[in-house]
Amino acid sequence: KNEVEQSPQNLTAQEGEFITINCSYSVGISALHWLQQHPGGGIVSLFMLSSGKKKHGRLIATINIQEKHSSLHITASHPRDSAVYICAVRSYGGATNKLIFGTGTLLAVQP
Amino acid sequence: DTGVSQDPRHKITKRGQNVTFRCDPISEHNRLYWYRQTLGQGPEFLTYFQNEAQLEKSRLLSDRFSAERPKGSFSTLEIQRTEQGDSAMYLCASSLQPGQGSYNEQFFGPGTRLTVL
Repeated sequence: KNEVEQSPQNLTAQEGEFITINCSYSVGISALHWLQQHPGGGIVSLFMLSSGKKKHGRLIATINIQEKHSSLHITASHPRDSAVYICAVRSYGGATNKLIFGTGTLLAVQP
Repeated sequence: DTGVSQDPRHKITKRGQNVTFRCDPISEHNRLYWYRQTLGQGPEFLTYFQNEAQLEKSRLLSDRFSAERPKGSFSTLEIQRTEQGDSAMYLCASSLQPGQGSYNEQFFGPGTRLTVL
């Protein structure tokens, strides 16, 4: 079993829909990241969370440390949101700062 | 553009050949990471540097792999005697070190896609 699990693996939505991507992890963490990866490979950091909730534009990320769960929400989705969304955690106490990644959620938003 | 660059962006090679990739991090970032991502999977940690010191290597990094960061700036990742299983996207990321602000945030390069025929 992977230390970081995401669901769903694939998601197709119509433009304007509210989207939720979930992430569960099994290790103690000091931070959780949501990343966006477009075709061609480049990864962009969307959020870094250690507690609570963050909002940036149409994107909202929440985390529940007790339940070891995080969600990424996209409001009023748009075709340009189509990408792979990856959850990654930094395990607690690690000096490396290396990330443990989920397998990603492939989102396709259709016009 | 995150400020981290990688070269080349694509590399096609024949099995058994050696390849070398380069990563140029954000200039003030002390830490540099290499990750490997195979198709349909999330990235996996390979190794990281703090300045010029290589401080951790994953067991994924076999003897055929070597990474350097000679002057604490750019880094190279070399794969010797490539195998078809080495085909993947190789990602580089950089960050500040603890005590320098948002050290948890890593900035990723665009990756080098390696295809071994």
